[in-house]
Amino acid sequence: EAQVTQNPRYLITVTGKKLTVTCSQNMNHEYMSWYRQDPGLGLRQIYYSMNVEVTDKGDVPEGYKVSRKEKRNFPLILESPSPNQTSLYFCASSFNWGALAHNEQFFGPGTRLTVL
Amino acid sequence: GESVGLHLPTLSVQEGDNSIINCAYSNSASDYFIWYKQESGKGPQFIIDIRSNMDKRQGQRVTVLLNKTVKHLSLQIAATQPGDSAVYFCAALRRVNSGYSTLTFGKGTMLLVSP
Repeated sequence: EAQVTQNPRYLITVTGKKLTVTCSQNMNHEYMSWYRQDPGLGLRQIYYSMNVEVTDKGDVPEGYKVSRKEKRNFPLILESPSPNQTSLYFCASSFNWGALAHNEQFFGPGTRLTVL
Repeated sequence: GESVGLHLPTLSVQEGDNSIINCAYSNSASDYFIWYKQESGKGPQFIIDIRSNMDKRQGQRVTVLLNKTVKHLSLQIAATQPGDSAVYFCAALRRVNSGYSTLTFGKGTMLLVSP
C-alpha cells in the first residue's frame, strides 16, 4: 500500500530533550515536506526537500532541522524542543516538486507533540 | 509574502443543503489552488484543484470557483452529507526561485453537517 508513515504518532517530552520524528514514504517520491498545524493558523511549512541531500527552509524553520540522506526518509529533528513547538506535525510527499501542481501530494497521519 | 485566509471558522449546514466555503489569497503570483479536506485525526486529503487560467472546475459533488480579480476562491459542495463534516483548507501555490513551488495553506473552515 502506497503511504506516508510517521513515528511516533504521539509524543510528550520535556523542554530541551532532543527528539526526532521520522517520516518515510514507499512511493519513490522525490519531494518531501514537513508542516506544523496549530489552531487558528492552519498548516505552515517547516522544511522541504526536493531530492536526496537537497533541503530548504519553509515558512517556520526556526528550532527545527531536517536531513535527507536517502530518498524514502525525511526525519524532523528538534535539537532543543520548547513549549512553543507543541503542535501537530504532518509529513507529506509527492513525486517531484512539479507534482504539487498536479495534486499528488500525500500526507502522513500526523504526529502530535507536546513539549512540557 | 503569501497569506491565505478563510472567511468563516465554522459553517453549519443541514444534510442535503449546498455548502459554500470561501477563501481569499493575497499573492497575485499564485497560479494554482487546491482544496483539502481534513477529517479528525487524519492528514489533509486532496479534493479538487484549479489553475489560474480557469475560473471554474467541477468534480463529483464539488465545484471550485476562482475570481482572480478579487483574489477569491470558493468550494461548493452539493447535497452535503454527514460524511462531509471535516475541516476544509484552501492552499495556494506559487513558483519561487529556480522554478520551485511553495504551497501556502489557509487557516481552515470546519464544516458541520447535521442530519
